[in-house]
Amino acid sequence: KAGVTQTPRYLIKTRGQQVTLSCSPISGHRSVSWYQQTPGQGLQFLFEYFSETQRNKGNFPGRFSGRQFSNSRSEMNVSTLELGDSALYLCASSVSGTPSQETQYFGPGTRLLVL
Amino acid sequence: GQNIDQPTEMTATEGAIVQINCTYQTSGFNGLFWYQQHAGEAPTFLSYNVLDGLEEKGRFSSFLSRSKGYSYLLLKELQMKDSASYLCAVNRKAQKVTFGTGTKLQVIP
Repeated sequence: KAGVTQTPRYLIKTRGQQVTLSCSPISGHRSVSWYQQTPGQGLQFLFEYFSETQRNKGNFPGRFSGRQFSNSRSEMNVSTLELGDSALYLCASSVSGTPSQETQYFGPGTRLLVL
Repeated sequence: GQNIDQPTEMTATEGAIVQINCTYQTSGFNGLFWYQQHAGEAPTFLSYNVLDGLEEKGRFSSFLSRSKGYSYLLLKELQMKDSASYLCAVNRKAQKVTFGTGTKLQVIP
């Protein structure tokens, strides 16, 4: 079974631009979560989607948004990029998104650099 | 990480045993994950503790005390490939998972 895939792997943008990142979960997984990872803050939860609905949301500004398609693939969008948005963005999938019963499988991440 | 504390860095010798501690706020606690993350790679699942006690998986063991808000990851017979960051993550009610900032472990010969 193929693992979680994320595209692109690396991205360079300038302040004020917007960016869209893509995540394809493991086949059969319906829950997709997005995280931002920076050296100082560690992994921070952005949001989680299940069956095309946002089920949970972290404490990030409205510039960060996402969506999930019927095939469970998910995209996240960051508008009006700021220097502080430079980070590794990780996507994780699980069957139903119930952490008490299963684990999340992480993709390789998209490394975003904002200049 | 939000209300999750773990040491920033640790160094241990190949063949030795190392214990990585994690403390957390107990409100809404459901369970605790440990993940391993090598530099430049995605985190990979190591363990998930829900009940008090020690769970052993080969060279790795994880301990949990729910009342104390405390967990540790124990790595035995350290190998050079164990050099990585170890992330403690708490699963709380409403299905939110919060990660600590991670402990960077360096294994030296």
